[in-house]
Amino acid sequence: GNSVTQMEGPVTLSEEAFLTINCTYTATGYPSLFWYVQYPGEGLQLLLKATKADDKGSNKGFEATYRKETTSFHLEKGSVQVSDSAVYFCALSGGGAQKLVFGQGTRLTINP
Amino acid sequence: SQTIHQWPATLVQPVGSPLSLECTVEGTSNPNLYWYRQAAGRGLQLLFYSVGIGQISSEVPQNLSASRPQDRQFILSSKKLLLSDSGFYLCAWSSRTGGYNSPLHFGNGTRLTVT
Repeated sequence: GNSVTQMEGPVTLSEEAFLTINCTYTATGYPSLFWYVQYPGEGLQLLLKATKADDKGSNKGFEATYRKETTSFHLEKGSVQVSDSAVYFCALSGGGAQKLVFGQGTRLTINP
Repeated sequence: SQTIHQWPATLVQPVGSPLSLECTVEGTSNPNLYWYRQAAGRGLQLLFYSVGIGQISSEVPQNLSASRPQDRQFILSSKKLLLSDSGFYLCAWSSRTGGYNSPLHFGNGTRLTVT
């Protein structure tokens, strides 16, 4: 079945550091890929998405490229801020009714 | 614009008591609706989804049930809560028109503690 594997957290960085959160997937067909962010005590918000191979999703300085050859969708940001502290989830679409399969989440903490 | 409301925000219930969590969506019609659970320190597990009124699909066997009495209302229930039902419950909706490309839109969640 479909699955998503994210790098284990937690991840702690200093402000303005470069961020990479790895995500790899296993899926049949051609899924769409997503990154969601969850701020403390809240639900998940869509951060970015990519719907086909080589697409790059971007939002709020974050980027991720859909790499079919390596089945990856790594999240990157060139210079993180304290306000980026949150839990980040990689997900793929699969099955009917747009059921998303999520990774286990990566907690990111940015220190000033 | 579309909004999703989920309540209550927090809930503490004793073991063996019933549960009812409600979720409503505004500003859209015929959404797909979902209940996810997020256990402490773990990822999200899809519990139920619905493509229409009265149509419920269960993803995992469990002590919970779901109902969709109206197009934009989704209810999560239990007759007798277990300690293992504790967690953060998230309701979500997606548009049917976009297919696999449609993102999910989440409510703010309900933190349930079973004591």
